[in-house]
Amino acid sequence: QVQLVQSGAELRRPGASVKISCEASGYTFSRNYMHWVRQAPGQGLEWMGIINPRSGATIYAPESKDRVTMTSDTSTNTVYMELSSLRSEDTAVYYCARDSVPATGQRSDVLDIWGQGTLVTVSS
Amino acid sequence: DILMTQSPPSLSASVGDRVSITCRASQPIWTSLNWYQQKPGKAPRLLIVAASHLQGGVPSRFSGSGSGTEFTLTISSLQPEDFATYYCQQSYSSPGFGPGTKVDLK
Repeated sequence: QVQLVQSGAELRRPGASVKISCEASGYTFSRNYMHWVRQAPGQGLEWMGIINPRSGATIYAPESKDRVTMTSDTSTNTVYMELSSLRSEDTAVYYCARDSVPATGQRSDVLDIWGQGTLVTVSS
Repeated sequence: DILMTQSPPSLSASVGDRVSITCRASQPIWTSLNWYQQKPGKAPRLLIVAASHLQGGVPSRFSGSGSGTEFTLTISSLQPEDFATYYCQQSYSSPGFGPGTKVDLK
């Protein structure tokens, strides 16, 4: 079945970086864009950006773009999201989510399959 | 940027109740509006695409309507498994979510 499996919880100090992985299975990895969304404790959903796994092209939300890097590895069907210069406000659950359109180079911005989430805690 | 709002922020209801949640966009987005359900500790689940199209596997008691700037998610007869938080999301420009509506037991 189609699934996205994310890496485990992380604890980081302020100023450090974190890199989260999201491994896809059950579909042709390179055909669907992948989004990243985060959710601070008790808060709503915040879109962070999107990556084309085949080309590596990215679009980042303005709020994230200075500190976020999204990459992909088609040999392992895995996308990564790295966030740098962490601060306490970055404490959140980070989700990868598949774009619903299975056509290379197109995106719908409808997120049909989600990973289980990765908790990142930033604390000194 | 397109701002999404939802009302009410929360509501209390009983099993069997008809429940409606409203989502508004700060500018017209045609029918580029999707709904998600999220239960505590779980990832969101896509329910409705393009304002009114039920995602596969979603019970028919869920329905969506609207276009332009105002949209509605309706649950015709609330079931115990429907107590959750519901988010709207516009897919007209860079994705943006509403703040959520929590549905809990009266």
